[in-house]
Amino acid sequence: DAGVIQSPRHEVTEMGQEVTLRCKPISGHDYLFWYRQTMMRGLELLIYFNNNVPIDDSGMPEDRFSAKMPNASFSTLKIQPSEPRDSAVYFCASSPTHSSTGELFFGEGSRLTVL
Amino acid sequence: GESVGLHLPTLSVQEGDNSIINCAYSNSASDYFIWYKQESGKGPQFIIDIRSNMDKRQGQRVTVLLNKTVKHLSLQIAATQPGDSAVYFCAENYGNKLVFGAGTILRVKS
Repeated sequence: DAGVIQSPRHEVTEMGQEVTLRCKPISGHDYLFWYRQTMMRGLELLIYFNNNVPIDDSGMPEDRFSAKMPNASFSTLKIQPSEPRDSAVYFCASSPTHSSTGELFFGEGSRLTVL
Repeated sequence: GESVGLHLPTLSVQEGDNSIINCAYSNSASDYFIWYKQESGKGPQFIIDIRSNMDKRQGQRVTVLLNKTVKHLSLQIAATQPGDSAVYFCAENYGNKLVFGAGTILRVKS
């Protein structure tokens, strides 16, 4: 099992540029989560999907952030335009069940630096 | 300006000793709890979980204790090894979402 696959692992961009982070969940997992990790705020849930449908996006910071899941094997998190305060490690996680009943399987993260 | 970040508590233990990592959770209605381990440059990795109808659960070298009265969770690691060095997070399921604590750094001295 390859686990959750995220790309890119590292991204350095300039303020104002569009950033797209990608995630391939574990096959057969119905839930997909996007988290952001910073020293200031720790691990924060941004959005999660069930069967490709966004269920809760209350953690998405503002309209500059958007997430999609066009099919069961692919999700994107997009930031447009990016700002220096978006610098963080973004994690994708998947689960075969809801977070109230089972563990989340995390990818290795995408480290974003916005200059 | 000066940035203020999370100041994670650090636990330093000698190799072979037992470690106890503590966590105070926020919501008395939380019904499920998980401990995760995060090594440098990697994503969090599941260690052990416990439901609110239990007060203790044991795994391989790890034990989780839950005290709902004071909203306290602990992770005990027996015979701590250098490979246990990492940041440890507790997470509670509240409002159908996993909410993570700030984390504790575990350093194992050889």
